[in-house]
Amino acid sequence: QVQLVQSGAEVKKPGASVKVSCKTSGYSFTAYYMHWVRQAPGQGLEWMGWINPNTGGTNYALNFLHRVTLTRDTSIRTAYMELTGLRPDDTAVYFCAAGIRYPGFDFWGQGKLVTVSS
Amino acid sequence: SYELTQPPSVSVSPGQTARITCSGDALAKQYAYWYQQKAGQAPDLVVSKDTERPSGIPERFSGSSSGTTVTLTISGVQAEDEADYYCQSSDSSGTYVFGTGTKVTVL
Repeated sequence: QVQLVQSGAEVKKPGASVKVSCKTSGYSFTAYYMHWVRQAPGQGLEWMGWINPNTGGTNYALNFLHRVTLTRDTSIRTAYMELTGLRPDDTAVYFCAAGIRYPGFDFWGQGKLVTVSS
Repeated sequence: SYELTQPPSVSVSPGQTARITCSGDALAKQYAYWYQQKAGQAPDLVVSKDTERPSGIPERFSGSSSGTTVTLTISGVQAEDEADYYCQSSDSSGTYVFGTGTKVTVL
């Protein structure tokens, strides 16, 4: 079955960087774009960007254009999201998501809580 | 970037119909998708491409579209439908956006 598995929660200091992984199984990793979405506590969903795992091509939301980098390692079927210059308002649950059986995002990782605090 | 606007909240009695709207200029040209998110969980896709219901989604969930507004309808609301609902779309440049979200309360 399709699975997107993310690593456990992290606490970071302001100014630091975080790299979130999304390990996949159960489908052709290079056939479907991987998206990243975040959700601050009590807030809505915010789209961050996508990566084409086949080509490595990316597209980022304007809000994150200079702070986020999406990469992938096709040998281990894993996508990564790195966010730099962390601020307290980057505290959020970060999700990876893909549209595999249906257009839209029909498979999601379980989410990774990143807390930014001094 | 563009925005998708939803009402903050909708309240409905069990067995009644809930309608959640999502408005944005891009919706006139791009498909919309709807997600249900329960507390502490990842979202679930409940409507794809304006009107299509993924397998496993109950028939009481349906979507419609008219101009720059799309609507998620939950017919015969059940207590388990209490959740946050988000619309989502994209533009021609491949940028995606989520709606502001609607909290559905079952009275």
